[in-house]
Amino acid sequence: EAQVTQNPRYLITVTGKKLTVTCSQNMNHEYMSWYRQDPGLGLRQIYYSMNVEVTDKGDVPEGYKVSRKEKRNFPLILESPSPNQTSLYFCASSFTRTGRALRTEAFFGQGTRLTVV
Amino acid sequence: GNSVTQMEGPVTLSEEAFLTINCTYTATGYPSLFWYVQYPGEGLQLLLKATKADDKGSNKGFEATYRKETTSFHLEKGSVQVSDSAVYFCALRGLSGGGADGLTFGKGTHLIIQP
Repeated sequence: EAQVTQNPRYLITVTGKKLTVTCSQNMNHEYMSWYRQDPGLGLRQIYYSMNVEVTDKGDVPEGYKVSRKEKRNFPLILESPSPNQTSLYFCASSFTRTGRALRTEAFFGQGTRLTVV
Repeated sequence: GNSVTQMEGPVTLSEEAFLTINCTYTATGYPSLFWYVQYPGEGLQLLLKATKADDKGSNKGFEATYRKETTSFHLEKGSVQVSDSAVYFCALRGLSGGGADGLTFGKGTHLIIQP
């Protein structure tokens, strides 16, 4: 089954304690990205990756890091979480933006609800 | 750059009512258009899509037609159910804009169906 898997689904942590949210896809997609969803703000892109070892900032990258050592995995790292990073996070994957791929959709993980106290 | 505009709601309807959620877009070229749905506590799922002008996407009783002349992709359903309560996102995918994958989302419309 085609899917994007995120872990954990729920996480409560304290300010400053490093954490990693994992994301894995089984569709051989080149493109992966992270979003955060906040009330009234919709989905905002944090970081994205066009392929292995190629990552770039999205709209709200401050306080986050990512890595793309393998095609299937794209972890999101919060080195020193703060309360303003309390949010619902989604990982997504898709084929890259070329020709036929533009007619295909992005696939989303189930989400990670993070609370930083 | 590309943009998607949709009503944010909440939109509250009674069961069996007719639903329309408006979505308009701005984009260069010929983007593909999508509706995603997010049920409570879950991730975004593709509801339907249309990849060229005048295409109609449909799924689970929902429909949307790609109208290039009005740059719109309104979501409709003839008779909603309580189980349709969710947040609905309109999105487009095009050659430019939208974080390198060309994806641009609206802010989402929260739909509440009352029995």
